[in-house]
Amino acid sequence: AQRVTQPEKLLSVFKGAPVELKCNYSYSGSPELFWYVQYSRQRLQLLLRHISRESIKGFTADLNKGETSFHLKKPFAQEEDSAMYYCALSRGGGNKLTFGTGTQLKVEL
Amino acid sequence: KAGVTQTPRYLIKTRGQQVTLSCSPISGHRSVSWYQQTPGQGLQFLFEYFSETQRNKGNFPGRFSGRQFSNSRSEMNVSTLELGDSALYLCASSFSSGSSYEQYFGPGTRLTVT
Repeated sequence: AQRVTQPEKLLSVFKGAPVELKCNYSYSGSPELFWYVQYSRQRLQLLLRHISRESIKGFTADLNKGETSFHLKKPFAQEEDSAMYYCALSRGGGNKLTFGTGTQLKVEL
Repeated sequence: KAGVTQTPRYLIKTRGQQVTLSCSPISGHRSVSWYQQTPGQGLQFLFEYFSETQRNKGNFPGRFSGRQFSNSRSEMNVSTLELGDSALYLCASSFSSGSSYEQYFGPGTRLTVT
């Protein structure tokens, strides 16, 4: 069975500092990995997916199959980045997502 | 485009009762997925419906069921409610079924079972 682990419940950084939100997964096949974000009082929304290999709002994430990781990174944190971040895995064949428990990112001034 | 809507937004039920939650997807979307969110278990997949057929199912008891109508609107039903069913129920719609299609989430229905 697939599993997604986000080891940090809360990550607090200062504005301008680098951010790394950790995500590890377990799945024997070739998964698709996503990062979802939920800003305060807003809906859960897709931030980025590993397939597109793009940078969204300054965030990037690289799939490391050897370490089974998909960490989310941003070089300089902004106050508006404060939100709940969820790593999710899909094994294809439908829309089933397996989510991690989420990491609350707090960017302090 | 209007986003995913869920009704009702809040619901209080008593143990043993049943409940029906509704989800209206974004116009043109044919896939609807349901998730349960609790503080203890996080976000867990319930099921997915595509073109009125259940495509995927999570590990939930048979008390949890769903259906999709020809206009892609979906309902989920929970029978014989238990205290542990108290949760935020999210639905998400996408144009089609498959991980390459972005899922758009609704605001959720907060169910409280007393």
